Amino acid sequence: KQEVTQIPAALSVPEGENLVLNCSFTDSAIYNLQWFRQDPGKGLTSLLLIQSSQREQTSGRLNASLDKSSGRSTLYIAASQPGDSATYLCAVHIKAAGNKLTFGGGTRVLVKP
Amino acid sequence: EADIYQTPRYLVIGTGKKITLECSQTMGHDKMYWYQQDPGMELHLIHYSYGVNSTEKGDLSSESTVSRIRTEHFPLTLESARPSHTSQYLCASSVGAVLSGAFFGQGTRLTVV
Repeated sequence: KQEVTQIPAALSVPEGENLVLNCSFTDSAIYNLQWFRQDPGKGLTSLLLIQSSQREQTSGRLNASLDKSSGRSTLYIAASQPGDSATYLCAVHIKAAGNKLTFGGGTRVLVKP
Repeated sequence: EADIYQTPRYLVIGTGKKITLECSQTMGHDKMYWYQQDPGMELHLIHYSYGVNSTEKGDLSSESTVSRIRTEHFPLTLESARPSHTSQYLCASSVGAVLSGAFFGQGTRLTVV
């Protein structure tokens, strides 16, 4: 059974510092990995989608890498801002069991001004 | 932008009432999902659908039921609401080949009193 783990569970940094969020998964048979942002009480906003054949994706200050063989992905957020404060979730689309989307527990980020 | 809509956004209802949470998407996605999330906690998959007339139970047991009579519509029903059903319910959809990733609605925050 696919398990997705995110470390750390919570992170607090001063404004301007770079953020590094980690995601690991146990089964490398995935279609893709997706990073989401969730603000309190809200839905999920897709940030980056990495196909299983890709090594990284970039969007503005965000960069996500994928190492499928080792079951790891890292989300980098450069020059953090207070507006980056949110919970960040990674999810993998697994090939087995009906292509379900399996989520990690999330990393709660606080960027202090 | 994702075109997936959930109504209502907030619902406060008395114990024993029947409720239906609506989820609609205009992207023609064949896969749809319902997740349950308590405040500050992980997302848990409670139902998913591969397409019309196809529904499956998710990883977390739920007393709710779903139907998929039309591609764009995936409502969730609770026959008799209880305080233990108080939670946030998130709907998502994805294309069959999952190349475009998953898109989420804004969620329905349900409170049963």
